[in-house]
Amino acid sequence: GNSVTQMEGPVTLSEEAFLTINCTYTATGYPSLFWYVQYPGEGLQLLLKATKADDKGSNKGFEATYRKETTSFHLEKGSVQVSDSAVYFCALSDLRQGGKLIFGQGTELSVKP
Amino acid sequence: DTGVSQDPRHKITKRGQNVTFRCDPISEHNRLYWYRQTLGQGPEFLTYFQNEAQLEKSRLLSDRFSAERPKGSFSTLEIQRTEQGDSAMYLCASSPGDRTTGYGYTFGSGTRLTVV
Repeated sequence: GNSVTQMEGPVTLSEEAFLTINCTYTATGYPSLFWYVQYPGEGLQLLLKATKADDKGSNKGFEATYRKETTSFHLEKGSVQVSDSAVYFCALSDLRQGGKLIFGQGTELSVKP
Repeated sequence: DTGVSQDPRHKITKRGQNVTFRCDPISEHNRLYWYRQTLGQGPEFLTYFQNEAQLEKSRLLSDRFSAERPKGSFSTLEIQRTEQGDSAMYLCASSPGDRTTGYGYTFGSGTRLTVV
């Protein structure tokens, strides 16, 4: 079945450092890919998405490119801020399976001033 | 529209009791999903509705769980004879359910269940 694997956390960075959170997926079809963010004490928020191969999703300085050849959707940001501290979830949904989301286990990011 | 609302935000119950959670989706969204999230894990799919029809149930949804969405509006998730293993955050999400949005979901803030 479909699955998502994320790099394990926690990830601790200094402010203005470069961020990469790896995400790979397994899917039989052509899923849409998502990154969600969960700030402390808050609900899940959509950060960015990509619906087909080679699409790049971007938002708030974060980017991720849908790479079908490597089945990856790595999250990147050039300069993190303390306010980016949160848990990040990679997820996929497949149109042929009702559009339900399948999540990775999450990666906790802590940014120190 | 204020987004997806879930009630209650927190619920503490004794083992063996029944609990019911409510989700009010975004009004124009025809798909509604329930997920469960335990500490340190990503959300896991439980079930989803297209309007009032329940189209899929996960194997995680044991016989003690039941979900409804009467008239395709709000939804309820009931857990009977709760067990300590049911302690988790229960998340609801709604979606327009169409390809053009890439299945953009909006999540509620969740109901945190603690079974003691």
